[in-house]
Amino acid sequence: NAGVTQTPKFQVLKTGQSMTLQCAQDMNHNSMYWYRQDPGMGLRLIYYSASEGTTDKGEVPNGYNVSRLNKREFSLRLESAAPSQTSVYFCASRRTAGGGGTQYFGPGTRLTVL
Amino acid sequence: GQQVMQIPQYQHVQEGEDFTTYCNSSTTLSNIQWYKQRPGGHPVFLIQLVKSGEVKKQKRLTFQFGEAKKNSSLHITATQTTDVGTYFCAGEFGNEKLTFGTGTRLTIIP
Repeated sequence: NAGVTQTPKFQVLKTGQSMTLQCAQDMNHNSMYWYRQDPGMGLRLIYYSASEGTTDKGEVPNGYNVSRLNKREFSLRLESAAPSQTSVYFCASRRTAGGGGTQYFGPGTRLTVL
Repeated sequence: GQQVMQIPQYQHVQEGEDFTTYCNSSTTLSNIQWYKQRPGGHPVFLIQLVKSGEVKKQKRLTFQFGEAKKNSSLHITATQTTDVGTYFCAGEFGNEKLTFGTGTRLTIIP
C-alpha cells in the first residue's frame, strides 16, 4: 500500500496563476483533509471531506476550492495564487470522520508563489 | 472558535535530559492525539488518548490526558538524537475534524 500520495512534491507559481494539488489514498478511508503548514502556525485545516460526495470548509478556506472526485481522490485548487499561499500543503485521510482514529498524512507539496 | 494551545514553541535539551510539551483547550475534548514530524517530513501518528485521566507509555514516551479532558502532555525521558522533530497535539471536539496545536520543536544538543 502506498498510503497517501500527493503530487507534485514542489511547485513554483507566479502571482495569479492557477494550479491543482492532487491527493489520493489507497486505504479505503472515508474522510480526507487538506492542511497548510506555515512556520510557527502548526497545521491549519483548509477543507475536508467527511465522506465521498461531501466537502466542508475548515479554518482557512479563502482562496481555495476542493473536489472529492471519488472515494480515493481529493484535490485542492488555487484559482489565482497569491504570495500569502506560499506554504507546505499536506493531504491526510482517516477511516471515518469523528470518533477518533489515526490521520495518515501524505509527503506534502511545497508551494512557492512569487 | 475551538483552539488548542501548545507550549513551549521550542525546546533545546542536552542529550539524555528529559523533555515535556503541554497542550491546553478551553473546552472539553472528546479525544486528543499526538503526532511527530521529523525535519522535512510529514506528521506521523504517535498515540490517541480518550479517557479522562488516561496515561499511556511508549518506551521512553509518556502521554497523559487531564481529568477534565482539557489538557494533555507528552514527556520524553532521557532524550536521544532520534527524538529530534516537532511534536503536535491534535484535539477532537466531537465533530469531524482535528484541531492541531502549534507544535513544539525539539532539538537535541549532543
